[in-house]
Amino acid sequence: AQSVTQPDIHITVSEGASLELRCNYSYGATPYLFWYVQSPGQGLQLLLKYFSGDTLVQGIKGFEAEFKRSQSSFNLRKPSVHWSDAAEYFCAVGQGGGADGLTFGKGTHLIIQP
Amino acid sequence: GAVVSQHPSWVICKSGTSVKIECRSLDFQATTMFWYRQFPKQSLMLMATSNEGSKATYEQGVEKDKFLINHASLTLSTLTVTSAHPEDSSFYICSAQGSSGRGEQYFGPGTRLTVT
Repeated sequence: AQSVTQPDIHITVSEGASLELRCNYSYGATPYLFWYVQSPGQGLQLLLKYFSGDTLVQGIKGFEAEFKRSQSSFNLRKPSVHWSDAAEYFCAVGQGGGADGLTFGKGTHLIIQP
Repeated sequence: GAVVSQHPSWVICKSGTSVKIECRSLDFQATTMFWYRQFPKQSLMLMATSNEGSKATYEQGVEKDKFLINHASLTLSTLTVTSAHPEDSSFYICSAQGSSGRGEQYFGPGTRLTVT
């Protein structure tokens, strides 16, 4: 069975500092990987996705993520965070074809310090 | 493009009553929709997969008689929580499968259900 681990429950970063959110997955084949962001009381917004090809993926709002097969990781990065980035971030893995739902990590709560 | 809506956005109901939540894909057709449940400050847990014109597939541990899913058209799936109890209070989120066939899903804004 596939699984996703986000080892950091909370992360606090100063505004303007760089950010890296960790995500490790367990999946038998080549995974389809996603990062979503959720603001309080809101649904999920897709930040970026990896299906194949270039392992460095660019997303919206200045985010990027790198797929590392050898480490089973798909870490999310941003060079300089803004106060509006404070939210819950979820890493997810899915199968090709979209026949199954996504498996989500438990999320990382990002706090931005002024 | 790829907008998914949910209605209502929040609902309060009394214990023992039933509540219906709608999920619509506004600008695309979705043969497959998914229903998730999210407890406060926790991750999303897949409840069921809803396929247009056929019975939903439920995840292990999800009571199919309690959470009735109907996917009557390519743009609408409904989740009915029957005989609701306070422990059913949660945030219910639907998603619709994108047309790329790569597992990409577009999520609705969620419905907050409170059972008193």
